[in-house]
Amino acid sequence: SQQGEEDPQALSIQEGENATMNCSYKTSINNLQWYRQNSGRGLVHLILIRSNEREKHSGRLRVTLDTSKKSSSLLITASRAADTASYFCATDLRGGSNYKLTFGKGTLLTVNP
Amino acid sequence: GAGVSQSPRYKVAKRGQDVALRCDPISGHVSLFWYQQALGQGPEFLTYFQNEAQLDKSGLPSDRFFAERPEGSVSTLKIQRTQQEDSAVYLCASTSFPRGSYNEQFFGPGTRLTVL
Repeated sequence: SQQGEEDPQALSIQEGENATMNCSYKTSINNLQWYRQNSGRGLVHLILIRSNEREKHSGRLRVTLDTSKKSSSLLITASRAADTASYFCATDLRGGSNYKLTFGKGTLLTVNP
Repeated sequence: GAGVSQSPRYKVAKRGQDVALRCDPISGHVSLFWYQQALGQGPEFLTYFQNEAQLDKSGLPSDRFFAERPEGSVSTLKIQRTQQEDSAVYLCASTSFPRGSYNEQFFGPGTRLTVL
């Protein structure tokens, strides 16, 4: 079963604009990660945020985490056509099965040149 | 260095056929995972190995699915008597976790299985 849900399901923007994707999850987590998937390169890890962190940056990526609302957002600034891909959040659960990643259904981002 | 590799990249099987999917993890990675990804969905956990030990197979959909990692490196996912609902992309991932601090997983390109 899917732990999280990304929102929106699909997003289409122009190159240079910012893209924001949201993720909600259901149970207490250790960490939340964002992955990107496109047909050329498969699933690639983007960024990890720990449950005791609220915000993290990596290059053009900014991730926030609100554990009280069980939600996270991924912001991609100054988007490029190469950012076109599906984006998934993945959580590992607090407790015994913390090795197991549970993915959402993903947001399909299209960046138009 | 080399990433996770999987073979074959594409497999077409007739219903009822057995298939074997191979995963070569990143050298030295302790943990290996198999996921199933249906069209338009996120990956779903199938099974987890730590070295050669299969510690969790709770995600395997039926007893037709079997995975092994006999020497703690290469892994094979076998599906017996394939059914149309088995059609999906099968992803393998490896990680140095739990030796590393965080469970950042490195994924292979996947095997797209189509059952006719």
